[in-house]
Amino acid sequence: GAGVSQSPRYKVAKRGQDVALRCDPISGHVSLFWYQQALGQGPEFLTYFQNEAQLDKSGLPSDRFFAERPEGSVSTLKIQRTQQEDSAVYLCASSLNNYEQYFGPGTRLTVT
Amino acid sequence: QKEVEQNSGPLSVPEGAIASLNCTYSDRGSQSFFWYRQYSGKSPELIMSIYSNGDKEDGRFTAQLNKASQYVSLLIRDSQPSDSATYLCAVNAGNMLTFGGGTRLMVKP
Repeated sequence: GAGVSQSPRYKVAKRGQDVALRCDPISGHVSLFWYQQALGQGPEFLTYFQNEAQLDKSGLPSDRFFAERPEGSVSTLKIQRTQQEDSAVYLCASSLNNYEQYFGPGTRLTVT
Repeated sequence: QKEVEQNSGPLSVPEGAIASLNCTYSDRGSQSFFWYRQYSGKSPELIMSIYSNGDKEDGRFTAQLNKASQYVSLLIRDSQPSDSATYLCAVNAGNMLTFGGGTRLMVKP
């Protein structure tokens, strides 16, 4: 079946612009996770949804970061007033059972 | 202090050899453990999961878990050049995964 999809795959934003990153999880997966991966490092947790409920947002680095999953399927990660330090790959993962997580291709964000 | 530690490598092995990748973690409450493979410019791909002490084999891959020593390893038998990638160890103590920094494996023909 289809895996996790993310769009756009690449995004270039000027400093101060707002961006929205989309994740479409595997059908039937109730859990959805967002991670941030800097170059040469492992992914770092940002936030977690179970269906439409955001159960953990402890990894969001600032109040400029906001995530939603209003109907318990597609999720959007929004970054307001982007800064250069926001440049990274943003990964979405989904899980059926909260154990094995399957990642999408990621969105590479570059802030200039 | 990073909670999941891996040697960054690179670990270089000849084709056909066994590659041994290691990982230690700090949270004794961790319950599930995963190995992901990540090719350059791609996203992590789940290759092994292990939940109880001992060995788990899947094809050329064997994951080993020792909760008393807080140690997880991945063995890759008959290594192939296509195995060259970064291998990420991930630990789940709740809902989220905590990743190590990854070990870069190079398999030389």
